Amino acid sequence: SQQGEEDPQALSIQEGENATMNCSYKTSINNLQWYRQNSGRGLVHLILIRSNEREKHSGRLRVTLDTSKKSSSLLITASRAADTASYFCATEDSGGYQKVTFGTGTKLQVIP
Amino acid sequence: IAGITQAPTSQILAAGRRMTLRCTQDMRHNAMYWYRQDLGLGLRLIHYSNTAGTTGKGEVPDGYSVSRANTDDFPLTLASAVPSQTSVYFCASSPEGLAGGPAINEQFFGPGTRLTVL
Repeated sequence: SQQGEEDPQALSIQEGENATMNCSYKTSINNLQWYRQNSGRGLVHLILIRSNEREKHSGRLRVTLDTSKKSSSLLITASRAADTASYFCATEDSGGYQKVTFGTGTKLQVIP
Repeated sequence: IAGITQAPTSQILAAGRRMTLRCTQDMRHNAMYWYRQDLGLGLRLIHYSNTAGTTGKGEVPDGYSVSRANTDDFPLTLASAVPSQTSVYFCASSPEGLAGGPAINEQFFGPGTRLTVL
């Protein structure tokens, strides 16, 4: 089963609006990363948040992490048409076997 | 240009045939990974390598093998392809590896290989 589950599966918003995507996971983690994937391309790393951090910013991106709820959110402010892509969370398991597990992704469409 | 390259871009293969997907990185990263991406299932790790000379099994290793003879190359081989191996395959690398090392850094992904097994 997937470690990370993104919610919603798909999101459609108007340009200029904010987009929020959520990721829930099941086990203790060392860190959580968010990636973007444009159609037909490889994934591109956006931001990494460590388990002892609660919030992190990078440009128009804001990521929060709540380890008590085992969840994270990615907020994209003032969205642009170029933000149209699929977004994945990836968690690094803190168990004896460290591994990175990707979620199933949120497909974001930003309408110009 | 620094990064990861994969070849071929796409391939149609008859079931039972042997196929090697190539992956090369020029960033001198220690760790490399192979994932498959299927609709509704996200990315699943097939095999990984923490450093040249070592490999490990991921979540879905059956039917696949890898080798890591040097830092730059990490080929993935399907010994006898089956239709369930139809997927998009991504190679990735990161400066650090898994299992006992420091917290993993970001992974850099190749453009992918679209494989269809008939």
